[in-house]
Order: sequence, then C-alpha cells, then structure tokens
Amino acid sequence: DGGITQSPKYLFRKEGQNVTLSCEQNLNHDAMYWYRQDPGQGLRLIYYSQIVNDFQKGDIAEGYSVSREKKESFPLTVTSAQKNPTAFYLCASSSRTEFSNQPQHFGDGTRLSIL
Amino acid sequence: AQKVTQAQTEISVVEKEDVTLDCVYETRDTTYYLFWYKQPPSGELVFLIRRNSFDEQNEISGRYSWNFQKSTSSFNFTITASQVVDSAVYFCALSEAFNFNKFYFGSGTKLNVKP
Repeated sequence: DGGITQSPKYLFRKEGQNVTLSCEQNLNHDAMYWYRQDPGQGLRLIYYSQIVNDFQKGDIAEGYSVSREKKESFPLTVTSAQKNPTAFYLCASSSRTEFSNQPQHFGDGTRLSIL
Repeated sequence: AQKVTQAQTEISVVEKEDVTLDCVYETRDTTYYLFWYKQPPSGELVFLIRRNSFDEQNEISGRYSWNFQKSTSSFNFTITASQVVDSAVYFCALSEAFNFNKFYFGSGTKLNVKP
C-alpha cells in the first residue's frame, strides 16, 4: 500500500547529540514537509521541499537541517543547536500542483525526547 | 495574525450526541482551500475533506457534514450521532493559492466521546 513511513517511532537524544528522523514515501509525491507538534498545539512547519535537491525553511527551522537527495526520502536532523527538541514530529507529502492545492498526507510521527 | 482559529480546545459529549467543531479562518486571497484532519491517539493525521473557496455547497459524508460560509469566514464540521471511535483531535487548515505549499493549521479541538 502507498503511504508515508516515519522511523523510529520513539527517539531519545542525549545532550549535544544530533539525531536524524527518517521519512520515506511511495506515493510519488513531489512535495514533502516536516512539522513539529507540541502538546495541545497545532502543527508548525519546520522545512519543506517541492522537488529533489531543493528545500525551503518553514516557520521554525532554527536548529534543524534537512536533505532531499531522492524523491522518496526527506530526512530531518535535529541538531544540538535545537535547545528544546522534545516534541512529536510529523512528516507529510503532497502532489505539487500549483493550481489545485492538494491535501497533505501524513506519516505516523516520531516522538523525540531528551535523556 | 493567526490564520486559522479553533476556539474550542476540548469538547466532551456522550455517544449518539451531535457535535459541531468550529473553524474560523482569515485570508486576503480570493482563492484558497480549507481542510479538516483527524488525529487519533496513534498520532497520524488523517485527511477528511478539502474545500475550495469557490464552492460553498455544504457536504455530507455519512455521519460527517461540513458547513462553509464565506460571509463569516467559517468552515464548521459536524459529527452526527457521535461514536467513541470519533474521539480524536481535529484540525482545520487553510492553504492559499499563491502559496500552495504552506498550510496554516489551527490549534486543534480535542473531542472526547464517552460511552
């Protein structure tokens, strides 16, 4: 079945450590996104990518980095510069159609905590 | 300024009651899209509906119905005869035509349906 796979489901980060969250999709979508969700809050956009080898900062990109070397994959690295990384991270993808905003489809999320 | 407002933080109903989740949005764009998503306890956001700004017809899908009123900038969601499985957090989102990659999410409404 087509979908978005995020791994791991739970992740723990030590002080000063970088960690990478994986996101893979087999929906043949051009656009991919990373969101952060804090308890009781909506989703905030970290980064998004419309095509391979291109990505844009969202509203809260500081302390995060991404790459888009393949259409199917959009990994997110939470660097040591992100001082408050504990959150639920959601990856999404959508078709890239300029004249008809397509819904974003989401993975199951990764819950990141600090040790 | 907040683009999407979901004023109801949490709602509790008893099974079989009808419940309406409110969504008010703000945009200067004449072409835009509105979405509703369901987030069950498992964490994944599930797409429910997309509506464009030129289509004000109400929509019904089983026990779900949506009321779009441009005059009041609202896109409300009603669940008829609620069930325990409807318990989740529901998000309303806005995407503007000139920036189709950007989704503005509300802060969500947590719905508790008690047996």
